[in-house]
Amino acid sequence: GAGVSQSPRYKVTKRGQDVALRCDPISGHVSLYWYRQALGQGPEFLTYFNYEAQQDKSGLPNDRFSAERPEGSISTLTIQRTEQRDSAMYRCASSLAGSIRETQYFGPGTRLLVL
Amino acid sequence: AQSVTQPDIHITVSEGASLELRCNYSYGATPYLFWYVQSPGQGLQLLLKYFSGDTLVQGIKGFEAEFKRSQSSFNLRKPSVHWSDAAEYFCAGVLRGGATNKLIFGTGTLLAVQP
Repeated sequence: GAGVSQSPRYKVTKRGQDVALRCDPISGHVSLYWYRQALGQGPEFLTYFNYEAQQDKSGLPNDRFSAERPEGSISTLTIQRTEQRDSAMYRCASSLAGSIRETQYFGPGTRLLVL
Repeated sequence: AQSVTQPDIHITVSEGASLELRCNYSYGATPYLFWYVQSPGQGLQLLLKYFSGDTLVQGIKGFEAEFKRSQSSFNLRKPSVHWSDAAEYFCAGVLRGGATNKLIFGTGTLLAVQP
């Protein structure tokens, strides 16, 4: 595709509901990253994949957060039993190869609001 | 702990004036360093990156950055700012040779450009 896409762009949910955020990386990109960005802050690393393998999930805040990339392409970030503190912009990025030297291309983000 | 610090939350410059955005890092060794720009409603875009070698790095849109080991800094510069440069700028770093591609971002500097 032309770039990284994310859906939905905006999500409003009630506390306690589960949400699934989707990331569609640039075609052929090996690595896929998830970040969370609170207002007035820089992006905060959550997790990343090379192909379908989750390489580092140390940034996931707690066990309510999970991510998968089952076929090495599209990825889903799932937040269970959402809380108000989960409200943020969730950003996805992809890169051509697995090296950190490769440029990460970011999507437009999903703005999540938990009421 | 590894960290990236951007001391200036907000900077205003006049169009045509020069610009310098500060970034300091704290790592056990020299990390890989990056500057990203985020325009309103857009994803982050890579401006430039430093891995090794020449400490003055050229990027896109007329930006450059200078790595100074003695000051643990990687400041972003532009000789003459254009109104379209108004955006938020993020410095980021990752541990060189580490087992993960975990990118750590600073909190960002919001740049306003006066006519």
